[in-house]
Amino acid sequence: DAKTTQPPSMDCAEGRAANLPCNHSTISGNEYVYWYRQIHSQGPQYIIHGLKNNETNEMASLIITEDRKSSTLILPHATLRDTAVYYCIVRVAIKAAGNKLTFGGGTRVLVKP
Amino acid sequence: NAGVMQNPRHLVRRRGQEARLRCSPMKGHSHVYWYRQLPEEGLKFMVYLQKENIIDESGMPKERFSAEFPKEGPSILRIQQVVRGDSAAYFCASSKTRLRRGGDTEAFFGQGTRLTVV
Repeated sequence: DAKTTQPPSMDCAEGRAANLPCNHSTISGNEYVYWYRQIHSQGPQYIIHGLKNNETNEMASLIITEDRKSSTLILPHATLRDTAVYYCIVRVAIKAAGNKLTFGGGTRVLVKP
Repeated sequence: NAGVMQNPRHLVRRRGQEARLRCSPMKGHSHVYWYRQLPEEGLKFMVYLQKENIIDESGMPKERFSAEFPKEGPSILRIQQVVRGDSAAYFCASSKTRLRRGGDTEAFFGQGTRLTVV
């Protein structure tokens, strides 16, 4: 699976949008971009994933650049409960690999009042 | 639909004892994954199982650790003769059998078992 690079930490103001960048310059054509988060030692929580089109769900939006070498997770209105470590993961979608995930260091997001 | 259930949530073992960690996947999920998170570190993949089969155990330590996912019942991660270095949070995830047509499927995680070896 392609390696990802994320900033180690970032702060965000409550109520504002949080934009979390991720670089994955070695991504291949059959690899998806996934985002998970882990709130204070709880189990990781799935947020969103995409291949090449932008995606949106009730939690967040995922913007993938046209060359697919980077992406941005957008939390539209950050709340204090969004404080967590956010992981950007790139993985190939083949049946043999199942849903095995390789976690990097992630971005530690602190939402401040 | 209940989520991924792990038990116990906390487990204390003395050095040399055995630890058994259980994971019941979400309903309709037949793929199970185990991850370990050492204190202040990231999550590391350990093993991927389907019903009665180990698919990928590339992250499992070679000794003392084993995993199973029987036809009936939960998946079990077993650690024999525990040592202090085994103290960690162990997370289980599950996903569906099939990849969605035209897309991929996500994995859902349990709340983990925190193992403390004293």
